[in-house]
Amino acid sequence: KAGVTQTPRYLIKTRGQQVTLSCSPISGHRSVSWYQQTPGQGLQFLFEYFSETQRNKGNFPGRFSGRQFSNSRSEMNVSTLELGDSALYLCASSLFGVWGDRVNEQYFGPGTRLTVT
Amino acid sequence: SQQGEEDPQALSIQEGENATMNCSYKTSINNLQWYRQNSGRGLVHLILIRSNEREKHSGRLRVTLDTSKKSSSLLITASRAADTASYFCATTGYSGGGADGLTFGKGTHLIIQP
Repeated sequence: KAGVTQTPRYLIKTRGQQVTLSCSPISGHRSVSWYQQTPGQGLQFLFEYFSETQRNKGNFPGRFSGRQFSNSRSEMNVSTLELGDSALYLCASSLFGVWGDRVNEQYFGPGTRLTVT
Repeated sequence: SQQGEEDPQALSIQEGENATMNCSYKTSINNLQWYRQNSGRGLVHLILIRSNEREKHSGRLRVTLDTSKKSSSLLITASRAADTASYFCATTGYSGGGADGLTFGKGTHLIIQP
């Protein structure tokens, strides 16, 4: 099976712009989660989508949004970029995601490294 | 905010030695997972231990969980140069009608000297 793919791999944007990142999960996986990784804050959960519905959201401002399509592919969008949004954005797919005690292994993509100047 | 705190932050050992890293967390969990990350790339799942388990093995990996102390340890035996990476513990809790995603610690950076 092909792994989780993320596009683009690297991105440089300017403050105030908006950006869309894409994630294609492993075939058959219905859950896609997004994480932000920075040296200062580490890995932080952004949100999770399951069957096109946002099932859970981390503590991020409304500038961060996402969606999931019927084929389980997911996009996340960051509007009005700030310097602090520079980070590695990781998406992870799994069969059922994280729901109560029904936890299963998450498969991570290679990430998109976003630099905001 | 970070749930887990790994200790040590960095560890350098000789190839062939065993490496032990620890993780402490703050709230009740359903399970705890360990992941490896090579050089700012994606994470690779290593092992999952449920809250009702105390120890689990997978190849050269041994994980323990002590829910009374809210801590876990990861032991890598007979380390290899390829084990050089950052290791993260991640927990899942349960809040109200949903889940909280994975909550990661800040990681232990392991360097294996040849």
